[in-house]
Amino acid sequence: QVQLVQSGAEVKNPGAAVKVSCKASGYTFTNYYIHWVRQAPGQGLEWMGIINPSGGSTTYAQKFQGRVTMTRDTSTSTVYMELSSLTSEDTAVYYCARDRIVGTTPGYVFDYWGQGTLVTVSS
Amino acid sequence: SYELTQPPSVSVSPGQTAKITCSGDELPKQYAHWYQQKPGQAPVLVIYKDRERPSGIPERFSGSSSGTTVTLTISGVQAEDEADYYCQYAYSIASFVVFGGGTKLTVL
Repeated sequence: QVQLVQSGAEVKNPGAAVKVSCKASGYTFTNYYIHWVRQAPGQGLEWMGIINPSGGSTTYAQKFQGRVTMTRDTSTSTVYMELSSLTSEDTAVYYCARDRIVGTTPGYVFDYWGQGTLVTVSS
Repeated sequence: SYELTQPPSVSVSPGQTAKITCSGDELPKQYAHWYQQKPGQAPVLVIYKDRERPSGIPERFSGSSSGTTVTLTISGVQAEDEADYYCQYAYSIASFVVFGGGTKLTVL
């Protein structure tokens, strides 16, 4: 069965960076794009960007450009999301989610989600 | 506007039908998708491309579209359907993704 398993909760100081991992299993890793979506406490969902696990190409939401980096390791079927220059506004649960469409063009529909990683930014 | 507007809350008694709307100027041109999120859990896709239901989602969940509004309908609501529901669309060419603000469904 398809599974996305994320790394554990993090506590970071303002100005630091955080790197969250998302390990995929149960399907061919390079066939499906992976998205990152975050959710601040008590708030809605916010899309951060997308990575193609096959070639590693990325597209980031304008809000996060310059501050987010998404990478992948095909040997371990893992994608990573690193967010830098953290502020209290970045306190949120971060989710990875698989794109529903197989192939070279993503559909921007999220059919499987990781369990979420809570990132707390506090001094 | 690229925004999606949802009612903050909808309440319904068990066995009744719940309708959750999502409005946006771009919806006549783009498919909408719906996610269910229970407290402390990740979202779950319940409807995609306005009206398609993923495997494993109960038949009581359905979707429809009319003009600038899409609607998620839950027929014969059960207590387990109490959750937050989010609509979403995307401009894939521009890699632009929008979520609605979410609707809290309360089963009375």
